[in-house]
Amino acid sequence: NAGVMQNPRHLVRRRGQEARLRCSPMKGHSHVYWYRQLPEEGLKFMVYLQKENIIDESGMPKERFSAEFPKEGPSILRIQQVVRGDSAAYFCASSMDGGTGELFFGEGSRLTVL
Amino acid sequence: KQEVTQIPAALSVPEGENLVLNCSFTDSAIYNLQWFRQDPGKGLTSLLLIQSSQREQTSGRLNASLDKSSGRSTLYIAASQPGDSATYLCAYNAGGTSYGKLTFGQGTILTVHP
Repeated sequence: NAGVMQNPRHLVRRRGQEARLRCSPMKGHSHVYWYRQLPEEGLKFMVYLQKENIIDESGMPKERFSAEFPKEGPSILRIQQVVRGDSAAYFCASSMDGGTGELFFGEGSRLTVL
Repeated sequence: KQEVTQIPAALSVPEGENLVLNCSFTDSAIYNLQWFRQDPGKGLTSLLLIQSSQREQTSGRLNASLDKSSGRSTLYIAASQPGDSATYLCAYNAGGTSYGKLTFGQGTILTVHP
């Protein structure tokens, strides 16, 4: 039973380019969360999605960042016009339900902006 | 503002010692608290989940307790092994939300030397 799958594991972009990070939740999980871990900082919540719906995006930067979880396929975190401050590890987590269920995290996608 | 403080920030112990990691949080209206371990360059592995109605959870050599009234949780590791070396993170549901919007501490870096 595969865990949460994230790709790419490492991504290098130049300033101004776009970054797309993908996340496939665990089998049977329909709730997806994105977190960001900046260098020397703790993990911060970004967004919570269910299939085709954004439930809570209170942690998303107001500009350049967007997330989706389509009916078919993985969840996508998209960062437009990346800047050096976007360099971080982006983690996806999934849960079976949206209640007090346990979160399972992927290995993360490490974005480096040159 | 929800905050999580983990003490100590780093801990180095010889193999075989029993140890306690501490976590304190500011919001008593939590739904659950979760302990994770993170290995360098890796994702998070869930260790224990304590529901707000529970006082403790045990898994193998690990025992986690929760005291909502004092805003504290402890992770007890018995008979530590070098393989336990990792960063240990505690996190809880933020702002009374019932889904996986977690607030994380900065972590305790544990080193167990042979």
